[in-house]
Amino acid sequence: LAKTTQPISMDSYEGQEVNITCSHNNIATNDYITWYQQFPSQGPRFIIQGYKTKVTNEVASLFIPADRKSSTLSLPRVSLSDTAVYYCLSGRSYQKVTFGTGTKLQVIP
Amino acid sequence: DAGVIQSPRHEVTEMGQEVTLRCKPISGHNSLFWYRQTMMRGLELLIYFNNNVPIDDSGMPEDRFSAKMPNASFSTLKIQPSEPRDSAVYFCASSSITDTQYFGPGTRLTVL
Repeated sequence: LAKTTQPISMDSYEGQEVNITCSHNNIATNDYITWYQQFPSQGPRFIIQGYKTKVTNEVASLFIPADRKSSTLSLPRVSLSDTAVYYCLSGRSYQKVTFGTGTKLQVIP
Repeated sequence: DAGVIQSPRHEVTEMGQEVTLRCKPISGHNSLFWYRQTMMRGLELLIYFNNNVPIDDSGMPEDRFSAKMPNASFSTLKIQPSEPRDSAVYFCASSSITDTQYFGPGTRLTVL
């Protein structure tokens, strides 16, 4: 299974842009990169998914360089409600994927 | 769609008792996953099914754990006998080839 590495924790002030980088050096050709968000006492929730280059939706942007060995989740203008754990995964969603430790984002007022 | 449905939401039982957790996946999804989450070990995949068939159960801790998927709309995870170290939040998720994994609200299990 492709393993991902991401920072354990990050702090940010409200209104700032937050970038969380994930390393997936052993990503396979057919693997997608997916980011999930988890609030306390809830299950992980899908944020964004991409294969290469850049993907943007109403919540976030995902930047993937050409070698696909890393990716960066960008959250624009975070608010207190964005305080959560963010997981980066590589693989195919209908198959076995590994959730690492995630990045605990704390947004400060 | 109602999303992934899990029951019960909370379960408190005594050591040695049988525990059955239930999951209804999203209609049309043909992959189903059971995860366990604890502070110490994070989110661990226990087992997953494709088209009701168990594909990988390497994450099942030991023989006390078993999972079934008798049809496309129902799955169970059973622990017999339960032990205090089984206390955790158990999540069910479902997916399809063209969709991401959607998680249920989880079952918080406490074994006394």
